[in-house]
Amino acid sequence: NAGVTQTPKFQVLKTGQSMTLQCAQDMNHNSMYWYRQDPGMGLRLIYYSASEGTTDKGEVPNGYNVSRLNKREFSLRLESAAPSQTSVYFCASSEVVVSYEQYFGPGTRLTVT
Amino acid sequence: GEDVEQSLFLSVREGDSSVINCTYTDSSSTYLYWYKQEPGAGLQLLTYIFSNMDMKQDQRLTVLLNKKDKHLSLRIADTQTGDSAIYFCAESPSSGGSQGNLIFGKGTKLSVKP
Repeated sequence: NAGVTQTPKFQVLKTGQSMTLQCAQDMNHNSMYWYRQDPGMGLRLIYYSASEGTTDKGEVPNGYNVSRLNKREFSLRLESAAPSQTSVYFCASSEVVVSYEQYFGPGTRLTVT
Repeated sequence: GEDVEQSLFLSVREGDSSVINCTYTDSSSTYLYWYKQEPGAGLQLLTYIFSNMDMKQDQRLTVLLNKKDKHLSLRIADTQTGDSAIYFCAESPSSGGSQGNLIFGKGTKLSVKP
């Protein structure tokens, strides 16, 4: 049981380049989330998917798109990277049945120059 | 809107107790959580408390909830150097269509000195 996996672990982009961050979970969870973590800012929700086939904006969605490919996978795309998107990105999943607890992946450290 | 506040830093000596405090705004939050983040890693759920409880104990961890003051605390007994990490408080707000979303505080960095 791998839990939540994310690829890549590290990435450096130039301004204007695009990339997709991948996330997969093997816990059969319905809900998946993308957060960014910046120093002194805590975690901020970018997008979430309450179930397969649905996605919704979180607190900071601008500059990002997401795809819920199937129940296991939830990807985050940066179409035209900007230095302000330099951050650590975390994917999480949960089964919204009882306690809403979320399980996190190890993160992707992204630097945009 | 919903907000979760925590102090940013706490420093204790090994063997002492640590108390990390948190205040939240949504009085109808169903669950409140404590997550731990070690350097270079993702967040790991430590414990959670249901809103109709005042206290929950789990080995060295004690969670206290004061619903009237919207105050949550995490006490770590006999703090060890391995407890050095960032601790996040989070609430599950009841509003709108964001069921399952959590609101996180900015995190408290706990430093344990030998």
